[in-house]
Amino acid sequence: AQSVAQPEDQVNVAEGNPLTVKCTYSVSGNPYLFWYVQYPNRGLQFLLKYITGDNLVKGSYGFEAEFNKSQTSFHLKKPSALVSDSALYFCAVRPWGSGDKLTFGTGTRLAVRP
Amino acid sequence: GAGVSQTPSNKVTEKGKYVELRCDPISGHTALYWYRQSLGQGPEFLIYFQGTGAADDSGLPNDRFFAVRPEGSVSTLKIQRTERGDSAVYLCASSSSGQNTEAFFGQGTRLTVV
Repeated sequence: AQSVAQPEDQVNVAEGNPLTVKCTYSVSGNPYLFWYVQYPNRGLQFLLKYITGDNLVKGSYGFEAEFNKSQTSFHLKKPSALVSDSALYFCAVRPWGSGDKLTFGTGTRLAVRP
Repeated sequence: GAGVSQTPSNKVTEKGKYVELRCDPISGHTALYWYRQSLGQGPEFLIYFQGTGAADDSGLPNDRFFAVRPEGSVSTLKIQRTERGDSAVYLCASSSSGQNTEAFFGQGTRLTVV
């Protein structure tokens, strides 16, 4: 069975500084990887996905993520954080050829201070 | 906008009662998912429909939970004899077919069993 680990419950960063939200996964075979963001009282919004090809994936709102197969990681990054980026971030995995359900991590709360 | 719509947004029910939660997916999306999100946790998979049929219901916790999608569009999640432990946010998502496609989530229904 697949699993996702987000080792940090919370990440704190100053506005304008780079941010990283960590994600590691465990899956049999190759993965499809996703990042979603959740703002208070709102549903999950898709940010970006890794399917195949270039290990650096660019997504919405200036976010990007780097797929590292040897480390089974898919860390979310942004070069310059905004206060409006403060939200709950979820990493998710779906294994190739094994159905369509997503397995999510427990989430990381990002707090960007002015 | 034509996003995923879930009704009601909030539902308070007494222990032992029956509830129905509705999901209206994005038009044309053949895949529909139900997830449950408890406080401080990531979404947990319940059931996945491809068209009218449940392709994977392995996440349903017990036989009190049931979901239908009779015409391949709107879906209803039904919970019988509700228990306090059923209290959570129930999320619905839809996607076009294909494992590499991202799912789009509704805002969720917050169910509180008192």
